[in-house]
Amino acid sequence: ETGVTQSPTHLIKTRGQQVTLRCSSQSGHNTVSWYQQALGQGPQFIFQYYREEENGRGNFPPRFSGLQFPNYSSELNVNALELDDSALYLCASSQGRENYGYTFGSGTRLTVV
Amino acid sequence: EDQVTQSPEALRLQEGESSSLNCSYTVSGLRGLFWYRQDPGKGPEFLFTLYSAGEEKEKERLKATLTKKESFLHITAPKPEDSATYLCAVQDATQGGSEKLVFGKGTKLTVNP
Repeated sequence: ETGVTQSPTHLIKTRGQQVTLRCSSQSGHNTVSWYQQALGQGPQFIFQYYREEENGRGNFPPRFSGLQFPNYSSELNVNALELDDSALYLCASSQGRENYGYTFGSGTRLTVV
Repeated sequence: EDQVTQSPEALRLQEGESSSLNCSYTVSGLRGLFWYRQDPGKGPEFLFTLYSAGEEKEKERLKATLTKKESFLHITAPKPEDSATYLCAVQDATQGGSEKLVFGKGTKLTVNP
């Protein structure tokens, strides 16, 4: 069992640029969720993918988009970066709707300058 | 709208000094209440899931309890290694297939030797 791995660990981007963050789910997990955690705040739900389809979305604009691949790995894409997008981005995987346990990765720290 | 409020925001204890953290929640229908531990710069680490009022779970020095409006995380005889931010989250049963978690801002616990 390898856990959830995210890449890169840290990233600095300029306002207006685009970024792609990656996540490898824990073995056997077919559901992946992405969260944004600003400094001093709790994680905020961005969206969730189940078997390659979006299965729920939080209050984030369309410039936040995602993909889940057949091997259940996932990407989070953010276009037209804004300074407020600076945060820790967390990926979490689970075994699906009948299991409510989440395993989180260590996150990607994104800084927008 | 689902809401989670954690108190206190920060707590300093001496090693061995027991205390409790509070999580008050508002949710349409509770599917589960989760406690996580988060170390600086890391992703949340799963501790407990509670599903119904009256339920209790224990792990080492931690014990989580649940009522219809709040949950407590009791820490007995804490050690310095228990220092971390403790996050509470709820999952709403009326969200359909989405496994969205709504988090509180967390309680930062510091245990001094």
